[in-house]
Amino acid sequence: AQKVTQAQTEISVVEKEDVTLDCVYETRDTTYYLFWYKQPPSGELVFLIRRNSFDEQNEISGRYSWNFQKSTSSFNFTITASQVVDSAVYFCALRSNTGNQFYFGTGTSLTVIP
Amino acid sequence: AAGVIQSPRHLIKEKRETATLKCYPIPRHDTVYWYQQGPGQDPQFLISFYEKMQSDKGSIPDRFSAQQFSDYHSELNMSSLELGDSALYFCASSLSGGLTYEQYFGPGTRLTVT
Repeated sequence: AQKVTQAQTEISVVEKEDVTLDCVYETRDTTYYLFWYKQPPSGELVFLIRRNSFDEQNEISGRYSWNFQKSTSSFNFTITASQVVDSAVYFCALRSNTGNQFYFGTGTSLTVIP
Repeated sequence: AAGVIQSPRHLIKEKRETATLKCYPIPRHDTVYWYQQGPGQDPQFLISFYEKMQSDKGSIPDRFSAQQFSDYHSELNMSSLELGDSALYFCASSLSGGLTYEQYFGPGTRLTVT
């Protein structure tokens, strides 16, 4: 069974603080893909990153960074020097190699306070 | 770059009415997915199509049906609408066999059933 857990329902930080959003996944597949999406108040889902199960290299993109650890089945997302525009709901998602659908976590609502 | 187009963006229907949501994938994408996101919920996979054939089925109610047409656009038909069908409906598209497996989401159709 595929499952994604985002234990943090809501997080509030003050602007310029760093914040890490946790994501833990479950899958029996050896090949799978992990994603992060951002959903601003306008509602659309914005793709942020994809990570393959066979690539544990961490990635940095500007103020965003991702820490993928297969040993703990985690794919955490860190925003450095947060900004008000980062306020959104962030979803972690899992896609196996054997199916088409995405399995989303329940999302973490991030509020960045000016 | 062209994105996934969904129409209408907003739809208000009464109980027991029918609704049709349309999705136009990114050009050359051959796979379409439908998701339902209830208020405060994560997106739930409904159904997907590859090359006009249903490829995967999730938690789609029997009152709903969908199809993909020869131009790859897809329609989600919803009958006997219930109050609980009020949600944001996302369509996503991807290129089957592509290296990245990203699903690109449309802006969503917000359906309100009164």
